[in-house]
Amino acid sequence: GAVVSQHPSRVICKSGTSVKIECRSLDFQATTMFWYRQFPKKSLMLMATSNEGSKATYEQGVEKDKFLINHASLTLSTLTVTSAHPEDSSFYICSATSGAVNTEAFFGQGTRLTVV
Amino acid sequence: KNEVEQSPQNLTAQEGEFITINCSYSVGISALHWLQQHPGGGIVSLFMLSSGKKKHGRLIATINIQEKHSSLHITASHPRDSAVYICAVYDYMDSNYQLIWGAGTKLIIKP
Repeated sequence: GAVVSQHPSRVICKSGTSVKIECRSLDFQATTMFWYRQFPKKSLMLMATSNEGSKATYEQGVEKDKFLINHASLTLSTLTVTSAHPEDSSFYICSATSGAVNTEAFFGQGTRLTVV
Repeated sequence: KNEVEQSPQNLTAQEGEFITINCSYSVGISALHWLQQHPGGGIVSLFMLSSGKKKHGRLIATINIQEKHSSLHITASHPRDSAVYICAVYDYMDSNYQLIWGAGTKLIIKP
């Protein structure tokens, strides 16, 4: 099946620094990528949807200046958490789809971010 | 009321038991997705279906579009099946994707 690779799987950073998370589709062209955040013992929360070559669409309540999403190519999207704070500590996961109707979305392995 | 509701929220069973997890939704959908999330957080796609029934190994997923209901069954359950199982309904309208998540069902299979 299709593979989506997310990197890094774990990252610890200091408050005030920025962290970049990469999401790559390895064997298909991902026209649409989704970024999710998961709080402990909670379901996934959609943060934003990005289409290749255009600006990401952010969900209500998600700060676009804090969570920068770039989807510059059909195989790579990045999420940058800027000026990270401890409350940004969470599990972040991406998924990608090729964009055709009823095609499956494939998930990355997730990134556990800890801000100290 | 949530648009996607799963039941039960938590389920503990003995190894070998037949497991059923239910998902009801109130929105129009293109397809429904069953996913498995392991304790480390990684998510595995189990099934995507828009009608009928799909089977993969010991896992069976069914969907009834008229009743807006889907079930995930696990036969001969095993401790390694312990995970959170998530139902997500998948809509593709006007060139926009939307995935609406259920809250998940935490399954524990005891040896």
